[in-house]
Amino acid sequence: RKEVEQDPGPFNVPEGATVAFNCTYSNSASQSFFWYRQDCRKEPKLLMSVYSSGNEDGRFTAQLNRASQYISLLIRDSKLSDSATYLCVVVYSGYSTLTFGKGTMLLVSP
Amino acid sequence: GAGVSQSPSNKVTEKGKDVELRCDPISGHTALYWYRQSLGQGLEFLIYFQGNSAPDKSGLPSDRFSAERTGGSVSTLTIQRTQQEDSAVYLCASSIMGRLANTGELFFGEGSRLTVL
Repeated sequence: RKEVEQDPGPFNVPEGATVAFNCTYSNSASQSFFWYRQDCRKEPKLLMSVYSSGNEDGRFTAQLNRASQYISLLIRDSKLSDSATYLCVVVYSGYSTLTFGKGTMLLVSP
Repeated sequence: GAGVSQSPSNKVTEKGKDVELRCDPISGHTALYWYRQSLGQGLEFLIYFQGNSAPDKSGLPSDRFSAERTGGSVSTLTIQRTQQEDSAVYLCASSIMGRLANTGELFFGEGSRLTVL
């Protein structure tokens, strides 16, 4: 069974804070991992890929732990514009579709 | 623009009516997906078209749902005898076939918001 679990939040943080989200996936036969971002009433958009060695893009760092079957996203120096829902995404081996978690909502306040 | 285009953007219908939702993918993208997103829920996979291969219909929730893709481009999702639980945002996405596992990038349209009264 393919499942991707996330804490729905919301995570309320002040500007400048560091915040981390985790995501767990149920099937070890998973191939690749990603984080998407979805703004309110907008379509999802790819944020970044997730690798075992870690992936950093500016203030964002994504990490994969295959042994524990979880994925993390760390946001440093949060900005108001980071307020959005962050979706954890898994591509399972043998499948050509993305399996999405329900998302974690982040609210960054002044 | 060159993005994924969906229509209508909003559709209100009465229970029991049929609806058709249209998706025009990015030119050159041979893979096309339909997902739906209900309030407070994640994206639920519905159907996937890949080139000339038979579509993956494993996500369709009932036989009231069907989709076709004509000429390898435009796709139509049809919901027959709509029910209130069909109310959701229906999202279409496209990608370059065979690269999804590497890039993870689906290009989504803005969605069609369906409300069944």
